[in-house]
Amino acid sequence: ETGVTQTPRHLVMGMTNKKSLKCEQHLGHNAMYWYKQSAKKPLELMFVYNFKEQTENNSVPSRFSPECPNSSHLFLHLHTLQPEDSALYLCASSQGQGSSGANVLTFGAGSRLTVL
Amino acid sequence: AQKITQTQPGMFVQEKEAVTLDCTYDTSDPSYGLFWYKQPSSGEMIFLIYQGSYDQQNATEGRYSLNFQKARKSANLVISASQLGDSAMYFCAMREVSGYSTLTFGKGTMLLVSP
Repeated sequence: ETGVTQTPRHLVMGMTNKKSLKCEQHLGHNAMYWYKQSAKKPLELMFVYNFKEQTENNSVPSRFSPECPNSSHLFLHLHTLQPEDSALYLCASSQGQGSSGANVLTFGAGSRLTVL
Repeated sequence: AQKITQTQPGMFVQEKEAVTLDCTYDTSDPSYGLFWYKQPSSGEMIFLIYQGSYDQQNATEGRYSLNFQKARKSANLVISASQLGDSAMYFCAMREVSGYSTLTFGKGTMLLVSP
């Protein structure tokens, strides 16, 4: 496998369920990200991990819990979500952080989440 | 204030014609990077082109070029010889040195290419 792989691609869950989104990158990158894409809103950064350490939490509610066991894997644990959390969740990775072109983010195809 | 502004919610172009997608940005950092991504209906964000704030030349990648006007803080994407497969959402994004971990996106422009 190459690039950034996200599973599942589609998820429907009730508000009391607990589920997890998984992201795996095969690019040897050191930084991984979770973004949320809601209808008619710009992509919102949720979390950033660099060398497995969380470097940014963009005021995300605690019902979203990230986990980064190593530089290749990133999880987003979901519990007691609300219908407004329905969105496309995109995972990305980059070689490093910084504004240079060497740190282009490579995205996965996303996990489409629907909360009933 | 928005850091990235894309004023065109939707654009239409005929196959084989060129199209320009607008992007303006707001930053006080002297060093920053500008990126364009394409998102087809499948959902994946595909990187197209990068322009660094200190780059002297406008970036080009195949049929994509970036019209970078630093004084006007604009970074328009030009797609030459449009193809049907170019139909997608296009996002402009910026990464500043000060917010070095954050790639900030605009709201996007939907491009439809007709035969």
